[in-house]
Amino acid sequence: DAMVIQNPRYQVTQFGKPVTLSCSQTLNHNVMYWYQQKSSQAPKLLFHYYDKDFNNEADTPDNFQSRRPNTSFCFLDIRSPGLGDAAMYLCATSRDKLSNQPQHFGDGTRLSIL
Amino acid sequence: AQSVAQPEDQVNVAEGNPLTVKCTYSVSGNPYLFWYVQYPNRGLQFLLKYITGDNLVKGSYGFEAEFNKSQTSFHLKKPSALVSDSALYFCAVRATGGFKTIFGAGTRLFVKA
Repeated sequence: DAMVIQNPRYQVTQFGKPVTLSCSQTLNHNVMYWYQQKSSQAPKLLFHYYDKDFNNEADTPDNFQSRRPNTSFCFLDIRSPGLGDAAMYLCATSRDKLSNQPQHFGDGTRLSIL
Repeated sequence: AQSVAQPEDQVNVAEGNPLTVKCTYSVSGNPYLFWYVQYPNRGLQFLLKYITGDNLVKGSYGFEAEFNKSQTSFHLKKPSALVSDSALYFCAVRATGGFKTIFGAGTRLFVKA
């Protein structure tokens, strides 16, 4: 089945130690998104890629970076995680930027900070 | 500015009874409306969407939603709730031609056997 896969499902890192979360998709979708979700709240968009075009949300901390080396993969890098960065990180895709398209989500990576 | 309100943090319903999860929205122009469900430690799963046409939209797992333009609402409904429907439900909106999806705060549904 075509899907969005996030690895790892659970990640523990130390305060200030860089961490990378990964996302892959077999849907061949043009758009990939990264969301942060805390305590069953609404997902908060961090950034998205439309193909290779990177778009950062205005309130996304500089601590968060992303890479998309090809259509299938996208990475979230947190350069110096703080305690406030502990959250569920969700990757999502959509076929294109048309506003009537739903998003397809992975099962997330739950990040803990020691 | 676009916004979505889910006025109930939690909805409790007995198995077999009808359920409604409420959503109202504010958007410039015509809205595209979505419902997603999230089970524990899982990602969001698309249930249904309203784009245009018939105000009653049918989706996955027996869910449906009714678009009401005058009340700017898009309530999620199911005629007969199952215990397995217990989850977190998110309403979301996009403006026509807009890119960003705005999610509501979520409503936790508990279905009691």
